Amino acid sequence: DSGVTQTPKHLITATGQRVTLRCSPRSGDLSVYWYQQSLDQGLQFLIQYYNGEERAKGNILERFSAQQFPDLHSELNLSSLELGDSALYFCASSVEKGSSGAWEELFFGEGSRLTVL
Amino acid sequence: GENVEQHPSTLSVQEGDSAVIKCTYSDSASNYFPWYKQELGKGPQLIIDIRSNVGEKKDQRIAVTLNKTAKHFSLHITETQPEDSAVYFCAASSTSGTYKYIFGTGTRLKVLA
Repeated sequence: DSGVTQTPKHLITATGQRVTLRCSPRSGDLSVYWYQQSLDQGLQFLIQYYNGEERAKGNILERFSAQQFPDLHSELNLSSLELGDSALYFCASSVEKGSSGAWEELFFGEGSRLTVL
Repeated sequence: GENVEQHPSTLSVQEGDSAVIKCTYSDSASNYFPWYKQELGKGPQLIIDIRSNVGEKKDQRIAVTLNKTAKHFSLHITETQPEDSAVYFCAASSTSGTYKYIFGTGTRLKVLA
C-alpha cells in the first residue's frame, strides 16, 4: 500500500459528461501529480500541484482541470468527455523540498479507470 | 520539450537469464533517473534510481547505468524470476526543468518459466 488513495476505482460514463477524480496523497506529502495511462501506453504527465498551487503543466487538455485543496487532497475534473478520454488516471504524491528540487520518489495510487461509452 | 525514449517495448526472457532495458533522454538538464515497476492492476512503484553524479548503482539483482554524455541510462536485471514479469518505466527529472518527471513509454517484460 503506497498510502495514496484514489477514488473512484472504476467509472463508466457517456460522451459529453463530466467526472471528478479524487486523490488523497500520503500523509505529509505536499506535491500531487496526475498522469494519464491509455491502453498499452506510457504515463502521460498532466499536471503537478505543490502545497495548493499549480507547479507544472503537461499535456493536459483544456477540457480537463485540477486543483489541490488546503487539506492537500486533489481533484481532477474531466469535462465534455470523449471516447478517447477512456484511460487509467493515476495520482502520485511526493515530499517536495521546495525550489532546491530534491529528487523524490513518487508514490502512486492504484488509479481510477475511466470508461467513456 | 523534454522527451524520454525507451526500448524495447516488449521483452521476453527465459527464467535465469538477464534483461536489459534502455532509455534515452533529451533534456541535458536532467539529473535524476528513476525506474518504476508496474504490476498488473497496480500503480507504478520505484525499484531503483540513480543521480547524475553516479555512473552505476546496484541493488541485489538490479542495476542501473548512466552515460550522461550520450544521455543514455539502462536497467539491468540479472537472474530473472517469474515475479519480475511486469511493465517497467524509466523516467528523467530535472531540478531546474519544467516537469518533475517525464516517463518513458514502458517495457513489458515477460519472464518465461
